Amino acid sequence: AQSVTQLGSHVSVSEGALVLLRCNYSSSVPPYLFWYVQYPNQGLQLLLKYTSAATLVKGINGFEAEFKKSETSFHLTKPSAHMSDAAEYFCAVSDSNDYKLSFGAGTTVTVRA
Amino acid sequence: DTAVSQTPKYLVTQMGNDKSIKCEQNLGHDTMYWYKQDSKKFLKIMFSYNNKELIINETVPNRFSPKSPDKAHLNLHINSLELGDSAVYFCASSRRRDSLTDTQYFGPGTRLTVL
Repeated sequence: AQSVTQLGSHVSVSEGALVLLRCNYSSSVPPYLFWYVQYPNQGLQLLLKYTSAATLVKGINGFEAEFKKSETSFHLTKPSAHMSDAAEYFCAVSDSNDYKLSFGAGTTVTVRA
Repeated sequence: DTAVSQTPKYLVTQMGNDKSIKCEQNLGHDTMYWYKQDSKKFLKIMFSYNNKELIINETVPNRFSPKSPDKAHLNLHINSLELGDSAVYFCASSRRRDSLTDTQYFGPGTRLTVL
């Protein structure tokens, strides 16, 4: 089965600094990868997804992620953090065996003023 | 207009009780899901329905029973509630079951607390 591992359960950045959230995947077939964001007391919202069209994927709110097959990674970045980026971020992978979405453990982002 | 809605938002109950959580989507999607998010924020799929047919049933105690009266609704009934059932339950939907790239749209969650 496919899976993702998010490195770092908590990331703290200063406002205006780079946000980098790490996600590595494990898959025996080409993966489809997703980043979701969960704001406090809310459901999950899709930030962006990789569907094999382009390796650099741009999402909402200034986020982007790059698919690197050689490194089995799909790291999420944003050049300049904003206070409103404070949230929980989940990397996820589609499973081609049964079309399930498998989530990583999540990374909590805090933004310091 | 909310795409995926859940009721109630909060549910506090005693051990041993039976409770239900309702979910509705107005996106015209074929597939709906229930997820459980534990206290460490780990998300795990529980069930998935496609056009009222159960297609994913993870290792979940049979005290949990999903019911889909039509493709826009997926309810979750829980019998004999236990302390370990305390969690946030999310409903989600997607356009088709057989697409690896379809976005799943999540509801706002139901926070269940079992005392």
